[in-house]
Amino acid sequence: EAGVTQSPTHLIKTRGQQATLRCSPISGHTSVYWYQQALGLGLQFLLWYDEGEERNRGNFPPRFSGRQFPNYSSELNVNALELEDSALYLCASSLVGVSYEQYFGPGTRLTVT
Amino acid sequence: QQQVKQSPQSLIVQKGGISIINCAYENTAFDYFPWYQQFPGKGPALLIAIRPDVSEKKEGRFTISFNKSAKQFSLHIMDSQPGDSATYFCAASTSGGGADGLTFGKGTHLIIQP
Repeated sequence: EAGVTQSPTHLIKTRGQQATLRCSPISGHTSVYWYQQALGLGLQFLLWYDEGEERNRGNFPPRFSGRQFPNYSSELNVNALELEDSALYLCASSLVGVSYEQYFGPGTRLTVT
Repeated sequence: QQQVKQSPQSLIVQKGGISIINCAYENTAFDYFPWYQQFPGKGPALLIAIRPDVSEKKEGRFTISFNKSAKQFSLHIMDSQPGDSATYFCAASTSGGGADGLTFGKGTHLIIQP
């Protein structure tokens, strides 16, 4: 069974630009979570999508947004990039209501210059 | 506000020894406590998880001990092997992680010396 996949692996952007990151959950999982893993800050919850709806977001500004598609894949958009947005962005999926377990993908390394 | 405090930050253990990583939490609404293992360049992998209705859970060489009154939980790795060298994260959540996502500790960099 394929795990969570993310693309691209690496992304280099300039300050002020927009970045789009993509995630495909484990087959059958309907929930997708996004986390930011920045150096020195650890893993921080960004967003939760379930059944196509944004269900909750962490303590991040509105320029972090996303969506979930009918096939449950998800996209994270980061607008007006700042240098401190440089981090590993991780996507996780789960089957809410059946299991608490979140399974992570390999992440997208975003570098803002 | 750091809701999950993890210690130590780094740990060196001899092969065959017991590795112990501790976490403490503040939010009494947390009801799910997973541990993740992360290798360089990879995403975190779920190792083992516990809910507050049990005090201990064991899976192979990995054991979680949970103390609800002290609001603490720990990971024990028995017979530690060089392949266990990785960064370990404890985490906690309410409502199965959906409502507020997982709250992670800062991580423990574990090195198992041959």
